[in-house]
Amino acid sequence: EAGVAQSPRYKIIEKRQSVAFWCNPISGHATLYWYQQILGQGPKLLIQFQNNGVVDDSQLPKDRFSAERLKGVDSTLKIQPAKLEDSAVYLCASSLAGTEKSYTFGSGTRLTVV
Amino acid sequence: GQSLEQPSEVTAVEGAIVQINCTYQTSGFYGLSWYQQHDGGAPTFLSYNALDGLEETGRFSSFLSRSDSYGYLLLQELQMKDSASYFCAVLSGSARQLTFGSGTQLTVLP
Repeated sequence: EAGVAQSPRYKIIEKRQSVAFWCNPISGHATLYWYQQILGQGPKLLIQFQNNGVVDDSQLPKDRFSAERLKGVDSTLKIQPAKLEDSAVYLCASSLAGTEKSYTFGSGTRLTVV
Repeated sequence: GQSLEQPSEVTAVEGAIVQINCTYQTSGFYGLSWYQQHDGGAPTFLSYNALDGLEETGRFSSFLSRSDSYGYLLLQELQMKDSASYFCAVLSGSARQLTFGSGTQLTVLP
């Protein structure tokens, strides 16, 4: 079974620029999550999708972050404009309904804002 | 809201046994998961406890006490490759989401 695919692997941008991350979950996984992991901390949930609908985006900084999941498969997370404090690894994870205890994570995108 | 506490660092030698504790506060609790993450890698699932007691998977075991809001991960016969960060995470809420602790950095010495 293919894993969760994410791209790019690394990204360096200047503050106030925009950036987008892409995620392709495991085939058949209805639930998709975006997490932000700052160095030395645990992953923090940004947004959760069920198929192509948003279940929870309460921790997404909506003034600068946006996410979509078209057709209930791939997802993109965008930051515009980026701030220095957005430097982190952005992890995408997916799970089958009823298996929320166990997520499969992608390798993440390491974002550096300079 | 939720909060989880786990030690920031643990050091042990090869072949030893180490226990990583996790205490949590949350509402709508379903269970406690453990993930392993090597530097630069993705978090990978290790175990899940929904009921009180011990779950064993090879060299790793995980324990939960719901009444004490406490769990631990036990790693036996430590190997160098076990050096990684270990996260406890509570599954909770109507959306059944995982909330992660800040992680424990395990260093295994030769």
